[in-house]
Amino acid sequence: TVLTQSPGTLSLSPGERATLSCRASQSVSSSYIAWYQQKPGQAPRLLIYGASSRATGIPDRFSGSGSATDYTLTISGLETEDSAVYYCQQYGTSLWTFGQGTKVEIK
Amino acid sequence: EVQLVEYGGTFVQPGGSLRLSCAASGFTFNTYNFIWVRRAPGKGLEWVSHISASGGSTHYADSVKGRFTISRDNAKNSVFLQISSLRAEDTAVYYCAREDPRGWYFFDYWGQGTLVTVSS
Repeated sequence: TVLTQSPGTLSLSPGERATLSCRASQSVSSSYIAWYQQKPGQAPRLLIYGASSRATGIPDRFSGSGSATDYTLTISGLETEDSAVYYCQQYGTSLWTFGQGTKVEIK
Repeated sequence: EVQLVEYGGTFVQPGGSLRLSCAASGFTFNTYNFIWVRRAPGKGLEWVSHISASGGSTHYADSVKGRFTISRDNAKNSVFLQISSLRAEDTAVYYCAREDPRGWYFFDYWGQGTLVTVSS
């Protein structure tokens, strides 16, 4: 299963809403969709699992949604610290795959 | 506190071999599955290899099958990745990560990574 993330780069101002898309080449169980944040020089950090459940300690401005082949990560009220690359990940017949990432830049 | 620390990355020539280690602490190590994931320069994340809690089940990405071997030592709270026949395209930061035990196949804690550079 190939995961295609869009857009490649998102440039927004603080306080705006970011909408990140992750499209799967075939249907994926929503239970097996996760989102991660990675900042330069840091390890990936789990944000969302099961498509919509926030991981421990993740602010509620991060939310996930979707089903079948289309999944979305929304960041409501962007903060400067949200500048990072965001990856979706799935588990299925091809075991684990990650999307290529969406870079979020804060103006 | 959960901690994962990778080490062993270095500069190596094409065709060479290397062993990466991931030392874990702060949780009951032998009840968790682990994965190695890499990030090549300018690219996204790619899963490399996965091992079950007992070590009895392993999986490999097609890109490394036959060249990489994952293992673990539950007595030493460590996961290993033996990598051989290295190619330039194996240059990457290698991360180990712990799989959440609920069977949803995501990874809740990650190490800081160790850099492998393959070049002549």
